[in-house]
Amino acid sequence: QKEVEQDPGPLSVPEGAIVSLNCTYSNSAFQYFMWYRQYSRKGPELLMYTYSSGNKEDGRFTAQVDKSSKYISLFIRDSQPSDSATYLCATISTDSWGKLQFGAGTQVVVTP
Amino acid sequence: GAVVSQHPSRVICKSGTSVKIECRSLDFQATTMFWYRQFPKQSLMLMATSNEGSKATYEQGVEKDKFLINHASLTLSTLTVTSAHPEDSSFYICSAMNTDTQYFGPGTRLTVL
Repeated sequence: QKEVEQDPGPLSVPEGAIVSLNCTYSNSAFQYFMWYRQYSRKGPELLMYTYSSGNKEDGRFTAQVDKSSKYISLFIRDSQPSDSATYLCATISTDSWGKLQFGAGTQVVVTP
Repeated sequence: GAVVSQHPSRVICKSGTSVKIECRSLDFQATTMFWYRQFPKQSLMLMATSNEGSKATYEQGVEKDKFLINHASLTLSTLTVTSAHPEDSSFYICSAMNTDTQYFGPGTRLTVL
């Protein structure tokens, strides 16, 4: 079993819809959580970073962490075709500082 | 801020040759950099952790003699794929640690013929 589980998709939504992405993790030592966006043949780009349970909002993006359930989510409001990319969740454990544990990545397609 | 560059962006080489990939943090100093490889439609696989001024730490199953890592300064780490073979063809991505967050380079696509 992988330490970070993420549905690879693809997830197809119409333009303007809310994109809902999530990951689950198994290790309680994971305390820092990130969402990266990766366009095809490009390096991942950091979207959101959080370390506490609750919601964090940045523009159209909302990251949600529930440490009691070991569940993290990313919501994208008013989705645009330019949001079409692969979204990777990642965590850092306090046991191995700096080393990211990635989910498989979810491919998102926003159709005009 | 927090920009990481990689060079070259893509390289094609013959089997048996060595290829060097550079990773630079442009606007910050990074004592720690990471090297990943990524196969099509798969997530990033950590290869090694590169620390400035010391030997790299390789993940299990990664051949340290094949993938040579040098982190000679706080803004530059290099990955050399020695005696490359077609199975080494992949997308190689570096990242640099800035405070508590990793910032990724744009990646290097290596094709070994």
